[in-house]
Amino acid sequence: ETGVTQTPRHLVMGMTNKKSLKCEQHLGHNAMYWYKQSAKKPLELMFVYNFKEQTENNSVPSRFSPECPNSSHLFLHLHTLQPEDSALYLCASSQGAASIEQYFGPGTRLTVT
Amino acid sequence: AQSVTQLGSHVSVSEGALVLLRCNYSSSVPPYLFWYVQYPNQGLQLLLKYTTGATLVKGINGFEAEFKKSETSFHLTKPSAHMSDAAEYFCAVSGARGANSKLTFGKGITLSVRP
Repeated sequence: ETGVTQTPRHLVMGMTNKKSLKCEQHLGHNAMYWYKQSAKKPLELMFVYNFKEQTENNSVPSRFSPECPNSSHLFLHLHTLQPEDSALYLCASSQGAASIEQYFGPGTRLTVT
Repeated sequence: AQSVTQLGSHVSVSEGALVLLRCNYSSSVPPYLFWYVQYPNQGLQLLLKYTTGATLVKGINGFEAEFKKSETSFHLTKPSAHMSDAAEYFCAVSGARGANSKLTFGKGITLSVRP
């Protein structure tokens, strides 16, 4: 595997379910990001991790819970989501949180029913 | 604070025609500017970026963009569109490295290419 990978690519879940999204980067980077992409809206930065430490939480509801066990892996744990949370969730990585160039994964298409 | 404006949501051109996708930005610090492309069912791929130096930057797939400080613009162009250019294009801005390095994206523009 190369670059940034995300699993699953598609996920349908009910509002009472608990699920997790996984991101893995194979680039030797130290910073990882979660973005939310909704139709016809700008990408919304959700969380930033730098050297496994969370450095930014962009006022994200607590039903989204990130986890970064090491610099290569990033998870987004989902619990009691709402239909408006349906979106494409993109993971990205960069050399450091101050780096200007981010590399994106293919995303997980989430549908909340 | 930074922001990006991409007017319109859809541009359609004929194959072989000029592609022009507009981007205007605002930034309280000298900006770094980016264009990303997103093909269906894929993540974002960096097309080109401006940091410092030459204001005309060339990217992949024949695209280029010119940083015009006086107009606060960073429009993306390609002389001759190809069917494979059909995708969504995002302009983004960040400040210099450090605290202002967070990327701020525009809403994106969908490019369609007609045969």
